[in-house]
Amino acid sequence: KNEVEQSPQNLTAQEGEFITINCSYSVGISALHWLQQHPGGGIVSLFMLSSGKKKHGRLIATINIQEKHSSLHITASHPRDSAVYICAVPSYSNYQLIWGAGTKLIIKP
Amino acid sequence: DAGVIQSPRHEVTEMGQEVTLRCKPISGHNSLFWYRQTMMRGLELLIYFNNNVPIDDSGMPEDRFSAKMPNASFSTLKIQPSEPRDSAVYFCASMRGGDSSYNEQFFGPGTRLTVL
Repeated sequence: KNEVEQSPQNLTAQEGEFITINCSYSVGISALHWLQQHPGGGIVSLFMLSSGKKKHGRLIATINIQEKHSSLHITASHPRDSAVYICAVPSYSNYQLIWGAGTKLIIKP
Repeated sequence: DAGVIQSPRHEVTEMGQEVTLRCKPISGHNSLFWYRQTMMRGLELLIYFNNNVPIDDSGMPEDRFSAKMPNASFSTLKIQPSEPRDSAVYFCASMRGGDSSYNEQFFGPGTRLTVL
């Protein structure tokens, strides 16, 4: 069993739809990261959170430490949101991240 | 801030040649990571530096790979000799501090390496 699991692996939706990407982890953590990788290849950190909820524009990230689960939501999705979304948690070494496999999101106009 | 800078952005070389990838981390960040990304294996950590000192090089595939960080503003990843299986995107990332529980990693644009 992978230490970080994401679902779904692939998601195709229409513009305007509400998007949810899930991340479950098996290790004890104090924070979780969400990152975005665009088709051009660049990787950008979206959120780092340790409890509750964070919001940035149309993106919302939530985490439940007790249930070891996090979700990334996108409201009013747009084709420019098409990307791979990756969740990651610190390993026991703390400097290293354990990466999820990523969720490939395609938003059709 | 200019962000993490990597060069070159693209590199095409022939098998057996030496390849040098360069990275300038964000000023004030004292952690630096080199990653390799392929379709088959995803994102792999190659080496981690903290305060210019290599802390973890367990991800370096073999002796053909070497990395240096001579100062806080510059790092190199060298492959000598290169092989076709080294073809991948190589990312450099930097982070303030040494704990991913409290700090985000900032990625460079990557170097797409093709070894023919």
